[in-house]
Amino acid sequence: DTAVSQTPKYLVTQMGNDKSIKCEQNLGHDTMYWYKQDSKKFLKIMFSYNNKELIINETVPNRFSPKSPDKAHLNLHINSLELGDSAVYFCASSQRTSGGQETQYFGPGTRLLVL
Amino acid sequence: AQSVSQHNHHVILSEAASLELGCNYSYGGTVNLFWYVQYPGQHLQLLLKYFSGDPLVKGIKGFEAEFIKSKFSFNLRKPSVQWSDTAEYFCAVLPPFGNEKLTFGTGTRLTIIP
Repeated sequence: DTAVSQTPKYLVTQMGNDKSIKCEQNLGHDTMYWYKQDSKKFLKIMFSYNNKELIINETVPNRFSPKSPDKAHLNLHINSLELGDSAVYFCASSQRTSGGQETQYFGPGTRLLVL
Repeated sequence: AQSVSQHNHHVILSEAASLELGCNYSYGGTVNLFWYVQYPGQHLQLLLKYFSGDPLVKGIKGFEAEFIKSKFSFNLRKPSVQWSDTAEYFCAVLPPFGNEKLTFGTGTRLTIIP
């Protein structure tokens, strides 16, 4: 069973289009994340949701809009795609213990290429 | 805010060589520490983690890491690497409380020559 899954795995689209990436976790975690990995492999958090509530919103263009219909799903919608949006987008999930221990588990990634 | 430094950007080793990848972090309080590995074209997988207790932690595939609090370091080691260890390795830190974020280092690319 895949713990954190994402669809699609690959996404090739034209500039200006709108696209969505979906993420689902079956780990029972209450927190989910979106990360962007650029061409130099640098990983940066974009958003974090805890029990459907947005708790981290990094400096991301408002063309990016996350949506969490329930705590097992976190989708990412991107409007008016630009060339610079080309990257690999990773979803992750975690569950923090009362002692503050927390491990994030990552999905397989969505490779987005904007032409 | 916390930050993570991985000084080795690209490491090239022959099979059976010993490996040590450096990781230093800056944060004034308690942190959770992680090493993730990303094989070519794949997602991040957890190699090992440190929360508390014994500062020498063992992970999967023969990897281990040592937390040295006085040096703010969490270096990754493996006594004898294999060709299949070729991958990108990321150190990450996460303060345990509040709405803190997992902060990654810039990664170290490891290439093992058969």
